[in-house]
Amino acid sequence: GAGVSQSPRYKVAKRGQDVALRCDPISGHVSLFWYQQALGQGPEFLTYFQNEAQLDKSGLPSDRFFAERPEGSVSTLKIQRTQQEDSAVYLCASSLGGGTVYSPLHFGNGTRLTVT
Amino acid sequence: AQKITQTQPGMFVQEKEAVTLDCTYDTSDQSYGLFWYKQPSSGEMIFLIYQGSYDEQNATEGRYSLNFQKARKSANLVISASQLGDSAMYFCAMREDAGGTSYGKLTFGQGTILTVHP
Repeated sequence: GAGVSQSPRYKVAKRGQDVALRCDPISGHVSLFWYQQALGQGPEFLTYFQNEAQLDKSGLPSDRFFAERPEGSVSTLKIQRTQQEDSAVYLCASSLGGGTVYSPLHFGNGTRLTVT
Repeated sequence: AQKITQTQPGMFVQEKEAVTLDCTYDTSDQSYGLFWYKQPSSGEMIFLIYQGSYDEQNATEGRYSLNFQKARKSANLVISASQLGDSAMYFCAMREDAGGTSYGKLTFGQGTILTVHP
């Protein structure tokens, strides 16, 4: 398919485990965003990549959260030593341009993380 | 202060009727974009419609239209001829230009759950 692909769709982790969430954006999309969505809430910004450069990580809630996009396409969001408050849906989005306000973000289906 | 405010946690509409979902925004930028997304229970975030701050005409996309009132800073979504499949969470979102430094981060409202009754 031509859309944003995220895996796994669901992840259950025991508290203290490390997890890695993958995002495969639309081919050729320069911008890639990660968002965190708590149940019943709007998505909250985590981090932004323009190609392989992480230009903003101001939304990452703690230093347990780390994201990379080494070759400017696939991105991985890693959460170390997961806590219960990390339980949420993690959404990845991409857009064609490098920062225009005029192009929509295209979202993946998200990864629902449950920390037990 | 909230940048995007959606004051209706839930809305109900009869099938085939029109419904308006409210959204107000707060920005000091002159250049910004307003977006509406639909999120069904399956979780995917579906882009519906876009309005640019400099657009003079209200955006329309099929059954969706955006009632843009710039002076009031409102960007309400109107869905005409509601269908059962329209039942979902709807989010209003904004991208600010911030003098070219914001790279277009989307800020979302809290959402409105729309239920369409047969």
